[in-house]
Amino acid sequence: DAGVIQSPRHEVTEMGQEVTLRCKPISGHDYLFWYRQTMMRGLELLIYFNNNVPIDDSGMPEDRFSAKMPNASFSTLKIQPSEPRDSAVYFCASSFTAQETQYFGPGTRLLVL
Amino acid sequence: AQRVTQPEKLLSVFKGAPVELKCNYSYSGSPELFWYVQYSRQRLQLLLRHISRESIKGFTADLNKGETSFHLKKPFAQEEDSAMYYCALKGRIQGAQKLVFGQGTRLTINP
Repeated sequence: DAGVIQSPRHEVTEMGQEVTLRCKPISGHDYLFWYRQTMMRGLELLIYFNNNVPIDDSGMPEDRFSAKMPNASFSTLKIQPSEPRDSAVYFCASSFTAQETQYFGPGTRLLVL
Repeated sequence: AQRVTQPEKLLSVFKGAPVELKCNYSYSGSPELFWYVQYSRQRLQLLLRHISRESIKGFTADLNKGETSFHLKKPFAQEEDSAMYYCALKGRIQGAQKLVFGQGTRLTINP
């Protein structure tokens, strides 16, 4: 298994543009998590899904952020419109259950100019 | 409020010296504590969890409920230990099981 797959690995965009980050969890994992990593705030949980259903989105910073999981093998995190303060590394993680270990993807490094 | 605090953003020690990365937490229930590590150009991965009570790569961490701490220790640091280390707490927060991370400590082992 290749583990959690994220794309793109790097994204540079201009303020106001729409950004879509993608994640493929480990096959068979029922939980999928999106995190954001910044120097100031460290790693923060944005949202997580159980069986494709969003369970907790209290960490999503504002309405510009949205996440979907149309099926068990794919999730997207969208920022529209993007702002320079959204620049960060976005990680996706998955796990079998809420209690099991979370396995992280390589992250997407986003830079909004 | 549930919180994980890693007081040191940067820690530098010499090879062979003991190393301790500090982690303190606040949580109203019985938390589950973890240490994650991110080596250069690699993804974040689980290093150890307090319920396992095991030593991984020479690292150990003991949960001290009295001091609400979960410090990571290794008696003799090696150069390959240089990485970013995150302490994390898993607990029921606002009705959902969540993993809350500290801000991380960048450990550098000098030759």
